[in-house]
Amino acid sequence: NAGVTQTPKFQVLKTGQSMTLQCAQDMNHNSMYWYRQDPGMGLRLIYYSASEGTTDKGEVPNGYNVSRLNKREFSLRLESAAPSQTSVYFCASSGGPGRVAEQYFGPGTRLTVT
Amino acid sequence: DQQVKQNSPSLSVQEGRISILNCDYTNSMFDYFLWYKKYPAEGPTFLISISSIKDKNEDGRFTVFLNKSAKHLSLHIVPSQPGDSAVYFCAASAYSGAGSYQLTFGKGTKLSVIP
Repeated sequence: NAGVTQTPKFQVLKTGQSMTLQCAQDMNHNSMYWYRQDPGMGLRLIYYSASEGTTDKGEVPNGYNVSRLNKREFSLRLESAAPSQTSVYFCASSGGPGRVAEQYFGPGTRLTVT
Repeated sequence: DQQVKQNSPSLSVQEGRISILNCDYTNSMFDYFLWYKKYPAEGPTFLISISSIKDKNEDGRFTVFLNKSAKHLSLHIVPSQPGDSAVYFCAASAYSGAGSYQLTFGKGTKLSVIP
């Protein structure tokens, strides 16, 4: 079991470039989430997907889009990157039997926008 | 307005002593609370949780206490070990529909356990 995997681990973009962050989980979880972590800010929810075929906005969705490709995969897209999107991005999943509220996180993607 | 607050950005404790990390929340709709541990350059890892119908949950060296009337929870680590040095995040959960639970995180407390 790999748990939650994210690619890439690191990325540097120029302002205006686009990219997609990939996330996959092998725990058969229904729900998946994207967070960003900034220094001194904790983790803030960008988007989430309660189940395959649904997506909803979180606390900080502006500048991002998501796709729940199937039950395993949930991608985050930056259409036109801005320096304010420099952050560490974490994907998470939840929905284990009897533990629906517990989220399990991937290792993160460190993104720098110059 | 922050719904989950960890008012101590950092805490230093001697090895073998007790570490107490505190967390306050404001939203009465939160019904499940979790603690996560995070090492540098890694994702947060789930540590321990507690339902709002309980006031204490233990797992080995880790105990979480919940005081609903005060909207306060704490994580006790006894005895503290150098490997416990990490950032600890408090999180509160509310049901967001379709079987999904949203977590609201505090800003974290950096624990340093001194050998």
